[in-house]
Amino acid sequence: EPEVTQTPSHQVTQMGQEVILRCVPISNHLYFYWYRQILGQKVEFLVSFYNNEISEKSEIFDDQFSVERPDGSNFTLKIRSTKLEDSAMYFCASRPGVNEKLFFGSGTQLSVL
Amino acid sequence: GQQLNQSPQSMFIQEGEDVSMNCTSSSIFNTWLWYKQDPGEGPVLLIALYKAGELTSNGRLTAQFGITRKDSFLNISASIPSDVGIYFCAGRLLTGNQFYFGTGTSLTVIP
Repeated sequence: EPEVTQTPSHQVTQMGQEVILRCVPISNHLYFYWYRQILGQKVEFLVSFYNNEISEKSEIFDDQFSVERPDGSNFTLKIRSTKLEDSAMYFCASRPGVNEKLFFGSGTQLSVL
Repeated sequence: GQQLNQSPQSMFIQEGEDVSMNCTSSSIFNTWLWYKQDPGEGPVLLIALYKAGELTSNGRLTAQFGITRKDSFLNISASIPSDVGIYFCAGRLLTGNQFYFGTGTSLTVIP
């Protein structure tokens, strides 16, 4: 069964460093998302991407964050200068254009030291 | 952002018992999704609902799209130990692409 793939599964970085989290959405899906989940809390929306542009973003998604779909299969989230409070599990998700089912990857655990 | 409140916050039940949980909002939603999340894993989609009043089953799980479109319900029948986890609802408004997540219901099944 097709699935959303995320790499790496764990990322440790120093505060102020740039990180890129990578995702391969399900093939033929049209809508792509990044969510994050701080330990023990609910899943929070960061950004949605459709037709090669951001369609919605939350207040969390400030100028330090950017997304890219560089080659038609990968979907990346970049955090330019990480802060301690960026430590969280980051989930990529995708859905087809036809129905509303949203499928998640298994996440990247980001730890900022 | 939208607030989706789930209740109960946590449940401790005996194996074999049925479980009911719900998700409520002050806004009208166009789609309701129910997920299960195990520790350290991504949310796994259980059931998707698209129309008010819709009742959909997936094995021992049954979910309903509330008539008011402001709530949804999930029932698990004859619970088993592997049902342990956190259950999240997620909803999408009539406009926009964002799915809002609920606060979660933590389920513990005692063998």
